[in-house]
Amino acid sequence: EAQVTQNPRYLITVTGKKLTVTCSQNMNHEYMSWYRQDPGLGLRQIYYSMNVEVTDKGDVPEGYKVSRKEKRNFPLILESPSPNQTSLYFCASSPTGQAGSPLHFGNGTRLTVT
Amino acid sequence: GQNIDQPTEMTATEGAIVQINCTYQTSGFNGLFWYQQHAGEAPTFLSYNVLDGLEEKGRFSSFLSRSKGYSYLLLKELQMKDSASYLCAVRGDDYKLSFGAGTTVTVRA
Repeated sequence: EAQVTQNPRYLITVTGKKLTVTCSQNMNHEYMSWYRQDPGLGLRQIYYSMNVEVTDKGDVPEGYKVSRKEKRNFPLILESPSPNQTSLYFCASSPTGQAGSPLHFGNGTRLTVT
Repeated sequence: GQNIDQPTEMTATEGAIVQINCTYQTSGFNGLFWYQQHAGEAPTFLSYNVLDGLEEKGRFSSFLSRSKGYSYLLLKELQMKDSASYLCAVRGDDYKLSFGAGTTVTVRA
């Protein structure tokens, strides 16, 4: 089944403890992206990647890192999480980053930082 | 930057029609998407418009006017399962996809 898989679905952690949220897609998509979703603010892009070894900042990249060493994987790294990073995170992919290429979303990771 | 506006909430009766408006001001334009998101779930793709006019897909239609920076999503013959958030998203010059805050539609019996 074609899908974007994120893990974990739920994560509770403490301030400053490094964590990684994994994202993998099996559709051979070139484009991958991370979003966070907060009430009243909608989906905001954190980082995106047009292809392997190519990553760029989105609108809210502070406090996050990503890497794209392989086409299928695009992990999101929080080196020193803070409470303002408590949010619902979505990974998404599309065939390309061009024009009409729609995003396919993972099921989300709900992160709580205390 | 990108500015995408849509109403926060709308309520309609089962079987009725609801129109969700979206206005945008962006750096360039490379298409507009509508997504549906049920509570606690991932967004799913509904429609894409890049040229002016109406795109129809079953009970759902989407309209675009590039000169006005305006789109709407029309939901006909509303069903209870249509209760969800509807997200308007615009792809700008840099090909980044920016989302509005979403419109929560509640369908009542």
